[in-house]
Amino acid sequence: GIQVEQSPPDLILQEGANSTLRCNFSDSVNNLQWFHQNPWGQLINLFYIPSGTKQNGRLSATTVATERYSLLYISSSQTTDSGVYFCAVFSGGYNKLIFGAGTRLAVHP
Amino acid sequence: SAVISQKPSRDICQRGTSLTIQCQVDSQVTMMFWYRQQPGQSLTLIATANQGSEATYESGFVIDKFPISRPNLTFSTLTVSNMSPEDSSIYLCSVGGPTEQYFGPGTRLTVT
Repeated sequence: GIQVEQSPPDLILQEGANSTLRCNFSDSVNNLQWFHQNPWGQLINLFYIPSGTKQNGRLSATTVATERYSLLYISSSQTTDSGVYFCAVFSGGYNKLIFGAGTRLAVHP
Repeated sequence: SAVISQKPSRDICQRGTSLTIQCQVDSQVTMMFWYRQQPGQSLTLIATANQGSEATYESGFVIDKFPISRPNLTFSTLTVSNMSPEDSSIYLCSVGGPTEQYFGPGTRLTVT
């Protein structure tokens, strides 16, 4: 089945810093999503990004499907960015989302 | 988009008891998904629930332990049966498909 790997597993930033999170996947996919889970457990859909680049405020994401990776950029980080960031791909064969292990981000003031 | 609510938001239960978690969606959906997230871990799919048919369980999850009901297109329940401390997790329901998935706020379960 599809394998999804994320790096780094943990990241600590000072407020205002920039960061890049990476997601590698083992097979060709066309439906990669990024999620943010806040410290209270709520999962929010950030991007659906099968290929190309999208931006939403201080967040942007790029997926290079041919090379099987996606990047999530966080600029000018804020304490509210803390939490866990997951990437996930939808396996049509199994009709389910397959999640990576996540990157745990802590932004300190 | 979809707005999903779950009840209860959290609970502390004794081992050997059962807890039923409710999931309500603000629109009709064909499939609903139930996930478990153990402490510090990623999400693991428990089962997919279609209205009018039995749920489809993932490897490692069985109906006797996690019975699911799906009485209509906006509602589902997940029961965690005969609980043990290893069942302490966040349980989330979700809806959506290949391009977007939406999650409920989760039920944080602690088993003592």
